[in-house]
Amino acid sequence: NAGVTQTPKFQVLKTGQSMTLQCAQDMNHEYMSWYRQDPGMGLRLIHYSVGAGITDQGEVPNGYNVSRSTTEDFPLRLLSAAPSQTSVYFCASRRPGLGIQYFGAGTRLSVL
Amino acid sequence: AQRVTQPEKLLSVFKGAPVELKCNYSYSGSPELFWYVQYSRQRLQLLLRHISRESIKGFTADLNKGETSFHLKKPFAQEEDSAMYYCALLDGGATNKLIFGTGTLLAVQP
Repeated sequence: NAGVTQTPKFQVLKTGQSMTLQCAQDMNHEYMSWYRQDPGMGLRLIHYSVGAGITDQGEVPNGYNVSRSTTEDFPLRLLSAAPSQTSVYFCASRRPGLGIQYFGAGTRLSVL
Repeated sequence: AQRVTQPEKLLSVFKGAPVELKCNYSYSGSPELFWYVQYSRQRLQLLLRHISRESIKGFTADLNKGETSFHLKKPFAQEEDSAMYYCALLDGGATNKLIFGTGTLLAVQP
C-alpha cells in the first residue's frame, strides 16, 4: 500500500544548482500532477500529465521541467534553483475524470 | 474561468463551537466539488465529495448551485479538527484539472 511516494523529504540547494524531485505511484493512475504549497497561496499546479509521454503546464511552470516515460514515475526537475522556488512540493495521482486525488508526503525544499 | 475561492485564510474557534469553512466556485457547467484536509505534518487527503452526500468526522458540505457555494460545516468543533482545509473543483473539460482554493487554516482552541 505505498500509494504515492516522493523523495527526498527534505532538500537544501544553493542558488543555481539543479536537482530532480522523484515521484512514483503504484496505483496505475494515468493522471499525475506536481503542486507547490506556499503560505497564503494554497496549492498551485506546476505541471501535470494525463498519461505516459504526455505532459502539460499548470499555472506556475517556469523554472521546472517534467517528463513521463512510464505510468508510474513523474519526476520534477529544477533546472537552476532560485530562492523563489523555496516551497513544499507535492506530487499527486488519480484516475482521469475522478476528483479523488492521492498525494505524496511532500518534499520541503529550501534554496539559499 | 473556473475558480475556487476560500475567503478566510484563518478561522479560529473554541472547542464545541460550530464551524463553517466557506468555499465559493465559478464554473460553467455542473460542478463536482471536494474538500481535502491536511493535518499537521501529514499528507493531503480527501475529506468528502459532494456527490456522495456523506458525513465524515462530523463534517458535511452541501452544494448550493444558486449561491455557487460548497461550505464545509460541523456543529461542534474538536481540537483534532485543527488542520488546513482545501476546497477543490474538478474541471470536466479537456484538461480535467483539479482546481484548488487557497485553503483555510482551522484552529480549534481548547
